[in-house]
Amino acid sequence: AQSVTQPDIHITVSEGASLELRCNYSYGATPYLFWYVQSPGQGLQLLLKYFSGDTLVQGIKGFEAEFKRSQSSFNLRKPSVHWSDAAEYFCAVGAGSTLTFGKGTMLLVSP
Amino acid sequence: GAVVSQHPSWVICKSGTSVKIECRSLDFQATTMFWYRQFPKQSLMLMATSNEGSKATYEQGVEKDKFLINHASLTLSTLTVTSAHPEDSSFYICSARDQWERETQYFGPGTRLLVL
Repeated sequence: AQSVTQPDIHITVSEGASLELRCNYSYGATPYLFWYVQSPGQGLQLLLKYFSGDTLVQGIKGFEAEFKRSQSSFNLRKPSVHWSDAAEYFCAVGAGSTLTFGKGTMLLVSP
Repeated sequence: GAVVSQHPSWVICKSGTSVKIECRSLDFQATTMFWYRQFPKQSLMLMATSNEGSKATYEQGVEKDKFLINHASLTLSTLTVTSAHPEDSSFYICSARDQWERETQYFGPGTRLLVL
């Protein structure tokens, strides 16, 4: 069965600083990988996804993620964080018709 | 594009009553919709998968008689929490998969249910 690990429960970043959120997955075949963001009391918004091809994928809101098969990782990055990026971020792996989510990383942005 | 709505956004009900939550895909057709439950500060737990015109598939441990799911059309799925009890209080989120877009789920804004 597939699994997703987000090792950081909380991360605090200064506004304007760069961001990297870690995600490791376990899946026997080529994975479909996703990053979603959830603001408090809201649903999930899709930031980006990887199915195949170029391992560096661009998403919305200036986010990007890089798929590294050798490390089973799909880390999310942003070069300059804005206060509005404060939210919870979920990495997910798709297998068949279902998604398996990590436990999430809460991003706090300090002034 | 790919907008999913949920109604209501929040509901308070008395113990023993039933509550219906609607999930609609607004600008695409969804042959498959999913229902999740999220506890405070936790990840999403898949409750069931529904395919248009057929019975829903429930995850292990989810009572199908308690959580009734109907996917009557390509744009609408409903979750009915029957005889709700306080332990059913939670945040329920639906998602829909565009039939033409591989493996991608788009999520609704969620419904907060409080059972008194």
